[in-house]
Amino acid sequence: SQQGEEDPQALSIQEGENATMNCSYKTSINNLQWYRQNSGRGLVHLILIRSNEREKHSGRLRVTLDTSKKSSSLLITASRAADTASYFCATDGTSNTGKLIFGQGTTLQVKP
Amino acid sequence: GAGVSQSPSNKVTEKGKDVELRCDPISGHTALYWYRQSLGQGLEFLIYFQGNSAPDKSGLPSDRFSAERTGGSVSTLTIQRTQQEDSAVYLCASSLAFTAPGFFGQGTRLTVV
Repeated sequence: SQQGEEDPQALSIQEGENATMNCSYKTSINNLQWYRQNSGRGLVHLILIRSNEREKHSGRLRVTLDTSKKSSSLLITASRAADTASYFCATDGTSNTGKLIFGQGTTLQVKP
Repeated sequence: GAGVSQSPSNKVTEKGKDVELRCDPISGHTALYWYRQSLGQGLEFLIYFQGNSAPDKSGLPSDRFSAERTGGSVSTLTIQRTQQEDSAVYLCASSLAFTAPGFFGQGTRLTVV
């Protein structure tokens, strides 16, 4: 079963606009990660946020984590056509096994 | 190599045949994961190796699926008596530790005809 659920499933915006994707999960976690996938193949790691962190930045990316609501958001600012991809959140639970559970993903289209 | 390498990139096999998928993780990464992604879907966890510990096989969908990791490095995922529902992209990832980011290979696209 999926741990994370992304929302929305699909998002279409114009270049330059901001894109916000949300992820909800079910169990306690050690950390939450966001990945990007282009063309349905390999995933690229974007950001890892630990359960004791509330916000993290990396370039144009901003991730927030609310453990009380079991939710996270990924904000991409000043989007570019190259940001067009599918974005997934993944959580590890607290079982300390390292097993990452992925959501279904948000498909982002950035129109030039 | 610089990244996680998977082979073959694409595999077409006949229903009922066995297939082997290979993953070369990043050198020094003790954690290795296999995932499966069906068309338009999220990633489904299959199996996880961490160092010399017993692997977490809880995601393997049936006893036709097995995986091994030799010498703490290369891993092979074997699917016996393939079925059409096994068609998917099989992704491998490795990481320094289970609390560290995972680095993914480009995957093997398996098509069972």
